[in-house]
Amino acid sequence: DIQMTQSPSSVSASVGDRVTITCRASQGISNWLVWYQQKPGKAPKLLIYAASSLQSGVPSRFSGSGSGTDFTLTISSLQPEDFATYYCQQTNSFPPTFGGGTKVEIK
Amino acid sequence: EVQLLESGGGLVQPGGSLRLSCAASGFTFSSYAMSWVRQAPGKGLEWVSSISPSGGNTYYADSMKGRFTISRDNSKNTLYLQMNSLRAEDTALYYCAKETGGAAIGPLDYWGQGALVTVSS
Repeated sequence: DIQMTQSPSSVSASVGDRVTITCRASQGISNWLVWYQQKPGKAPKLLIYAASSLQSGVPSRFSGSGSGTDFTLTISSLQPEDFATYYCQQTNSFPPTFGGGTKVEIK
Repeated sequence: EVQLLESGGGLVQPGGSLRLSCAASGFTFSSYAMSWVRQAPGKGLEWVSSISPSGGNTYYADSMKGRFTISRDNSKNTLYLQMNSLRAEDTALYYCAKETGGAAIGPLDYWGQGALVTVSS
């Protein structure tokens, strides 16, 4: 199975900050990488697919990059509604494994 | 509007069985792969199983293989997860999710609200 490792596991940031979350795959997955956002008590929401393609309706302050084994999710200017937990998932091969999550907290 | 509504969760004893259902609406159900993803209390997301649009291809996480069965009834727009030989570690919120395409491994663009399964004596 492909292991997905996210870092950091949590980050404290202020409104307006630039936040970067990293996801590393244990083997190359090309650009088969998805990012989700999950708020407490809610289902996950698709943010980015194919490593860098923004899902319809997702604000442009979210962006994704990377290929192979190293990927990043960047929030260019953190907004109050962005405080949540973010998960990466590889969709290169079964099982489609998730990273452990990164919680973005208010500083 | 796409809607996914899970049902069938509850409290079950170790070794017992439960069947989850997910009623879908707002899209052409038979055209999309579907998945189950679970989340143990306070933990991260774990993929459970996926099924192709026709139901002809199914996929499982190793820890669920042989115990869980995913199926779908395209005439009823409903996805199922039959769970047998349940263990305490299967306790989780089980989400039904729609894939963006038909590959059964693609991004999941719509999710239900989840069905809580608690395995305890």
